[in-house]
Amino acid sequence: DGGITQSPKYLFRKEGQNVTLSCEQNLNHDAMYWYRQDPGQGLRLIYYSQIVNDFQKGDIAEGYSVSREKKESFPLTVTSAQKNPTAFYLCASSLQGGYEQFFGPGTRLTVL
Amino acid sequence: AQRVTQPEKLLSVFKGAPVELKCNYSYSGSPELFWYVQYSRQRLQLLLRHISRESIKGFTADLNKGETSFHLKKPFAQEEDSAMYYCALSGNNNAGNMLTFGGGTRLMVKP
Repeated sequence: DGGITQSPKYLFRKEGQNVTLSCEQNLNHDAMYWYRQDPGQGLRLIYYSQIVNDFQKGDIAEGYSVSREKKESFPLTVTSAQKNPTAFYLCASSLQGGYEQFFGPGTRLTVL
Repeated sequence: AQRVTQPEKLLSVFKGAPVELKCNYSYSGSPELFWYVQYSRQRLQLLLRHISRESIKGFTADLNKGETSFHLKKPFAQEEDSAMYYCALSGNNNAGNMLTFGGGTRLMVKP
Protein backbone atom coordinates (compact mmCIF):
# COMPACT_ATOMS: atom_id res chain seq x y z
CA ASP A 1 0.00 0.00 0.00
CA GLY A 2 1.10 3.59 -0.50
CA GLY A 3 0.95 6.43 1.91
CA ILE A 4 4.38 6.39 3.47
CA THR A 5 7.21 4.24 2.18
CA GLN A 6 10.68 3.47 3.42
CA SER A 7 13.60 1.92 1.59
CA PRO A 8 15.47 -0.25 1.74
CA LYS A 9 13.80 -2.81 3.98
CA TYR A 10 17.15 -4.19 5.11
CA LEU A 11 20.47 -2.36 5.09
CA PHE A 12 23.91 -3.54 6.01
CA ARG A 13 26.73 -1.17 6.76
CA LYS A 14 30.36 -1.56 7.52
CA GLU A 15 31.77 0.33 10.45
CA GLY A 16 32.93 3.79 9.46
CA GLN A 17 30.45 4.17 6.60
CA ASN A 18 27.60 6.63 6.34
CA VAL A 19 24.29 5.29 5.07
CA THR A 20 21.08 7.05 4.06
CA LEU A 21 17.59 5.73 4.73
CA SER A 22 14.81 6.89 2.47
CA CYS A 23 11.35 8.01 3.58
CA GLU A 24 8.70 9.22 1.15
CA GLN A 25 5.05 10.10 1.69
CA ASN A 26 2.21 10.98 -0.66
CA LEU A 27 -0.24 11.98 2.06
CA ASN A 28 0.45 15.70 1.67
CA HIS A 29 1.53 15.82 5.30
CA ASP A 30 3.62 18.74 6.47
CA ALA A 31 5.22 17.01 9.44
CA MET A 32 7.61 14.07 9.25
CA TYR A 33 9.51 12.16 11.91
CA TRP A 34 12.27 9.61 12.35
CA TYR A 35 12.25 7.15 15.23
CA ARG A 36 14.58 4.44 16.35
CA GLN A 37 12.98 1.29 17.75
CA ASP A 38 15.00 -0.93 20.09
CA PRO A 39 13.63 -3.91 22.03
CA GLY A 40 12.26 -2.86 25.40
CA GLN A 41 12.88 0.84 24.75
CA GLY A 42 9.94 1.70 22.59
CA LEU A 43 10.34 4.38 19.96
CA ARG A 44 12.77 7.21 20.46
CA LEU A 45 12.61 10.36 18.36
CA ILE A 46 15.70 11.12 16.31
CA TYR A 47 14.65 14.13 14.19
CA TYR A 48 11.45 15.76 13.09
CA SER A 49 10.42 18.31 10.52
CA GLN A 50 7.25 20.37 10.61
CA ILE A 51 7.78 22.12 7.31
CA VAL A 52 10.00 22.02 4.24
CA ASN A 53 13.55 23.29 4.79
CA ASP A 54 13.19 23.11 8.55
CA PHE A 55 13.93 20.31 11.00
CA GLN A 56 14.63 19.88 14.68
CA LYS A 57 16.62 17.45 16.80
CA GLY A 58 14.75 14.88 18.81
CA ASP A 59 15.90 13.03 21.89
CA ILE A 60 18.71 11.02 20.28
CA ALA A 61 19.97 13.07 17.31
CA GLU A 62 23.69 12.54 17.89
CA GLY A 63 25.27 10.67 15.00
CA TYR A 64 22.34 11.31 12.67
CA SER A 65 21.51 13.96 10.09
CA VAL A 66 18.45 14.75 7.97
CA SER A 67 17.31 17.03 5.19
CA ARG A 68 13.88 18.22 4.11
CA GLU A 69 14.20 19.70 0.65
CA LYS A 70 10.81 18.43 -0.51
CA LYS A 71 7.55 18.02 1.33
CA GLU A 72 7.34 14.39 0.30
CA SER A 73 10.81 13.31 1.36
CA PHE A 74 12.70 13.17 4.66
CA PRO A 75 15.88 11.09 4.32
CA LEU A 76 17.90 10.10 7.36
CA THR A 77 21.68 9.67 7.25
CA VAL A 78 23.28 7.48 9.86
CA THR A 79 26.84 8.69 10.16
CA SER A 80 29.94 6.93 11.39
CA ALA A 81 29.64 9.02 14.55
CA GLN A 82 26.63 6.98 15.66
CA LYS A 83 28.13 4.52 18.12
CA ASN A 84 25.39 1.91 18.11
CA PRO A 85 23.50 2.20 14.83
CA THR A 86 22.13 -1.34 14.59
CA ALA A 87 18.38 -0.89 15.06
CA PHE A 88 14.99 -0.71 13.39
CA TYR A 89 14.22 2.74 12.01
CA LEU A 90 10.70 4.04 11.55
CA CYS A 91 9.58 7.08 9.62
CA ALA A 92 6.22 8.73 10.24
CA SER A 93 4.22 11.68 9.02
CA SER A 94 1.27 13.69 10.22
CA LEU A 95 -0.84 16.69 9.38
CA GLN A 96 0.39 19.95 10.83
CA GLY A 97 -1.30 20.18 14.20
CA GLY A 98 -2.58 16.62 13.90
CA TYR A 99 -1.94 14.09 16.62
CA GLU A 100 -2.18 10.89 14.60
CA GLN A 101 1.08 9.82 13.06
CA PHE A 102 1.19 7.44 10.11
CA PHE A 103 4.11 5.08 10.05
CA GLY A 104 6.16 3.50 7.30
CA PRO A 105 7.12 -0.18 7.25
CA GLY A 106 10.59 0.48 8.66
CA THR A 107 14.21 -0.18 7.73
CA ARG A 108 16.36 -2.61 9.66
CA LEU A 109 19.96 -1.43 9.74
CA THR A 110 22.73 -3.80 10.72
CA VAL A 111 26.33 -2.77 11.17
CA LEU A 112 28.76 -5.51 10.27
CA ALA B 1 9.93 16.41 30.98
CA GLN B 2 7.33 13.98 29.76
CA ARG B 3 7.64 10.27 30.30
CA VAL B 4 5.55 7.19 29.55
CA THR B 5 5.98 3.94 31.42
CA GLN B 6 4.60 0.56 30.46
CA PRO B 7 5.59 -1.72 33.33
CA GLU B 8 4.94 -5.02 31.58
CA LYS B 9 7.11 -6.06 28.66
CA LEU B 10 5.01 -9.18 28.10
CA LEU B 11 1.44 -10.01 28.98
CA SER B 12 0.10 -13.48 28.29
CA VAL B 13 -3.60 -14.34 28.65
CA PHE B 14 -5.95 -17.03 27.44
CA LYS B 15 -8.58 -16.37 24.81
CA GLY B 16 -11.72 -15.01 26.39
CA ALA B 17 -9.96 -13.67 29.46
CA PRO B 18 -9.98 -9.97 30.34
CA VAL B 19 -6.86 -8.03 29.49
CA GLU B 20 -5.43 -4.80 30.86
CA LEU B 21 -2.28 -3.22 29.51
CA LYS B 22 -0.91 -0.67 31.93
CA CYS B 23 0.35 2.77 31.03
CA ASN B 24 1.49 5.48 33.41
CA TYR B 25 2.71 8.90 32.44
CA SER B 26 4.33 11.97 33.89
CA TYR B 27 3.59 15.37 32.47
CA SER B 28 2.98 18.67 34.15
CA GLY B 29 0.28 19.94 31.81
CA SER B 30 -2.79 18.41 30.15
CA PRO B 31 -1.60 15.59 27.94
CA GLU B 32 -3.16 13.84 25.02
CA LEU B 33 -2.82 10.06 25.36
CA PHE B 34 -2.83 7.42 22.66
CA TRP B 35 -2.48 3.71 22.18
CA TYR B 36 -0.65 2.47 19.08
CA VAL B 37 -0.57 -1.18 18.00
CA GLN B 38 1.79 -3.17 15.81
CA TYR B 39 0.51 -6.52 14.58
CA SER B 40 2.94 -9.09 13.24
CA ARG B 41 4.35 -7.98 9.87
CA GLN B 42 2.22 -4.84 9.87
CA ARG B 43 2.94 -1.19 10.43
CA LEU B 44 2.58 0.61 13.68
CA GLN B 45 -0.88 2.19 13.68
CA LEU B 46 -3.09 4.23 15.93
CA LEU B 47 -5.53 2.15 17.96
CA LEU B 48 -7.30 4.81 19.97
CA ARG B 49 -6.93 8.21 21.59
CA HIS B 50 -8.38 9.36 24.85
CA ILE B 51 -10.13 12.42 23.48
CA SER B 52 -12.27 10.24 21.23
CA ARG B 53 -13.65 8.18 24.10
CA GLU B 54 -14.35 5.42 21.64
CA SER B 55 -14.05 1.65 21.66
CA ILE B 56 -11.91 0.18 18.91
CA LYS B 57 -11.84 -3.59 18.34
CA GLY B 58 -13.40 -3.93 21.79
CA PHE B 59 -10.60 -1.98 23.47
CA THR B 60 -11.20 1.02 25.69
CA ALA B 61 -8.89 3.27 27.65
CA ASP B 62 -9.76 5.86 30.26
CA LEU B 63 -7.50 8.72 31.20
CA ASN B 64 -7.16 8.90 34.98
CA LYS B 65 -5.47 12.18 35.76
CA GLY B 66 -5.37 11.48 39.48
CA GLU B 67 -3.38 8.31 38.98
CA THR B 68 -1.70 9.60 35.78
CA SER B 69 -2.68 6.42 34.01
CA PHE B 70 -4.16 5.42 30.68
CA HIS B 71 -4.64 1.68 30.89
CA LEU B 72 -5.92 -0.23 27.85
CA LYS B 73 -8.66 -2.76 28.57
CA LYS B 74 -10.64 -5.41 26.79
CA PRO B 75 -13.14 -7.67 28.55
CA PHE B 76 -12.62 -10.74 26.35
CA ALA B 77 -9.30 -11.16 24.57
CA GLN B 78 -9.13 -12.71 21.11
CA GLU B 79 -6.19 -14.43 19.47
CA GLU B 80 -6.03 -11.72 16.82
CA ASP B 81 -5.32 -9.18 19.58
CA SER B 82 -1.81 -10.60 19.90
CA ALA B 83 0.49 -7.71 19.03
CA MET B 84 2.86 -5.11 20.39
CA TYR B 85 1.10 -2.22 22.10
CA TYR B 86 2.61 1.20 22.72
CA CYS B 87 1.21 3.93 24.89
CA ALA B 88 2.10 7.45 23.73
CA LEU B 89 1.74 10.97 25.07
CA SER B 90 1.60 14.30 23.34
CA GLY B 91 2.10 17.42 25.40
CA ASN B 92 1.50 21.05 24.61
CA ASN B 93 5.06 22.11 23.98
CA ASN B 94 6.98 24.25 21.56
CA ALA B 95 7.94 21.15 19.62
CA GLY B 96 4.48 20.77 18.22
CA ASN B 97 2.61 17.53 18.47
CA MET B 98 5.54 15.35 19.40
CA LEU B 99 4.81 11.90 20.73
CA THR B 100 6.65 10.29 23.62
CA PHE B 101 6.30 6.51 23.53
CA GLY B 102 6.44 3.95 26.28
CA GLY B 103 8.63 0.89 26.02
CA GLY B 104 5.78 -1.27 24.72
CA THR B 105 3.97 -4.36 25.94
CA ARG B 106 3.75 -7.53 23.91
CA LEU B 107 0.33 -9.13 24.31
CA MET B 108 0.07 -12.83 23.64
CA VAL B 109 -3.40 -14.36 23.57
CA LYS B 110 -3.26 -18.12 23.85
CA PRO B 111 -5.98 -20.39 22.45
